[in-house]
Amino acid sequence: EIVLTQSPATLSLSPGERVTLSCRASQSVDSYLAWYQQKPGQAPRLLIYDASNRATGIPARFSGSGSGTDFTLTISSLEPEDFAVYYCQQRSEWPPRITFGPGTKVDIK
Amino acid sequence: QVQLVQSGGGWVKPGGSLRLSCVASGFTFSDYYMAWIRQAPGKGLEWVSYISLTSTYTDYADSVKGRFTISRDNAKNSLYLQMNSLRAEDSAVYYCASPFYGGMPDAFDIWGQGTVVTVSP
Repeated sequence: EIVLTQSPATLSLSPGERVTLSCRASQSVDSYLAWYQQKPGQAPRLLIYDASNRATGIPARFSGSGSGTDFTLTISSLEPEDFAVYYCQQRSEWPPRITFGPGTKVDIK
Repeated sequence: QVQLVQSGGGWVKPGGSLRLSCVASGFTFSDYYMAWIRQAPGKGLEWVSYISLTSTYTDYADSVKGRFTISRDNAKNSLYLQMNSLRAEDSAVYYCASPFYGGMPDAFDIWGQGTVVTVSP
């Protein structure tokens, strides 16, 4: 099973700051990497698919990069509504097996 | 509008059974893999199971294999999860989810509202 590791576990930041979140896979996942945002009491929201493509309606301040085993989600300038938990997710080629990272919490400093 | 509406869930004793349902609307359900994903209280997301467009392929997380069964009824735009031999560690919010690419269970962009399953004596 492919294991995803996210770092850091928690980030305390102020609005307007730039955020870089890391997701590392235990083996190559090519570009089959997605990022989600989850707020308390809500279902996750897809932000990025295929490592670098923004999902429908996602603001341009969110961007994804990476391939293979190392991936990054960047928020160029934190908005108040961006304080949440962020998860990465991969699926293996075939048969598709899906795993999520443990999440990174971005909270207000 | 595109949505997934879940039902089922609730409280059950260890060893008991529950069936979750998820009804899709606003998109061509039969064109999409579907999945169940759960989240234990205060924990992260865990993929549970997925099913292919015509039910040919299914897969399960090792933690539920042999106890849970996923199924779908394309005529009713419905997805199901039959959960048997439930354990305390199965307590979670269960989400049904639809992927961005219909033909592969990956990058889930449509989520149900979630349903709570509690397993305790």
